[in-house]
Amino acid sequence: LAKTTQPISMDSYEGQEVNITCSHNNIATNDYITWYQQFPSQGPRFIIQGYKTKVTNEVASLFIPADRKSSTLSLPRVSLSDTAVYYCLVGEGYSSASKIIFGSGTRLSIRP
Amino acid sequence: EPEVTQTPSHQVTQMGQEVILRCVPISNHLYFYWYRQILGQKVEFLVSFYNNEISEKSEIFDDQFSVERPDGSNFTLKIRSTKLEDSAMYFCASSLPGQGYAFFGQGTRLTVV
Repeated sequence: LAKTTQPISMDSYEGQEVNITCSHNNIATNDYITWYQQFPSQGPRFIIQGYKTKVTNEVASLFIPADRKSSTLSLPRVSLSDTAVYYCLVGEGYSSASKIIFGSGTRLSIRP
Repeated sequence: EPEVTQTPSHQVTQMGQEVILRCVPISNHLYFYWYRQILGQKVEFLVSFYNNEISEKSEIFDDQFSVERPDGSNFTLKIRSTKLEDSAMYFCASSLPGQGYAFFGQGTRLTVV
């Protein structure tokens, strides 16, 4: 499993766009990049997954440069309810029941 | 949207007692997992389960832990003799083959006193 590095914490304000960057220099050819969100006292929740270029869904966008050594999770127009811990994970497509290893994540705090 | 359901949401038990945490994974999922999170710490992998057997387990998952899929819908984690340090949130998760991500339940808060 490729190691990831992301900021420990970030602060922003309601209505702003938030970009959280994750470094994964040792990403392997078969690895996907997956982001989860976790609210206090709740289980992690899948947000988005990508392999290259850009992926967008109703929650976020994921930007992956050509070298795939980093990725950026973009949250448009955040609200107070986006305050959570965001985890970046890199690994294979889990064709087997392989474990998901969580790091410390990025603690995002949104202020009014 | 389908979801992973865990019961109970909170369990208090005395040290040395056995507890069973229950999970109903998403119905068509084939891979099942248990994780735990001690207050203020990382989410830690405990065990993965596929085809009625353990696929992988961590060092945390020692002999006092066991998992079972007693029927077609439930997935349980048993802690045989609880210790104070077992106090944590326990999360069940499930996934489809090749999906690349898992769906997590809301967790069971286990408090050992």
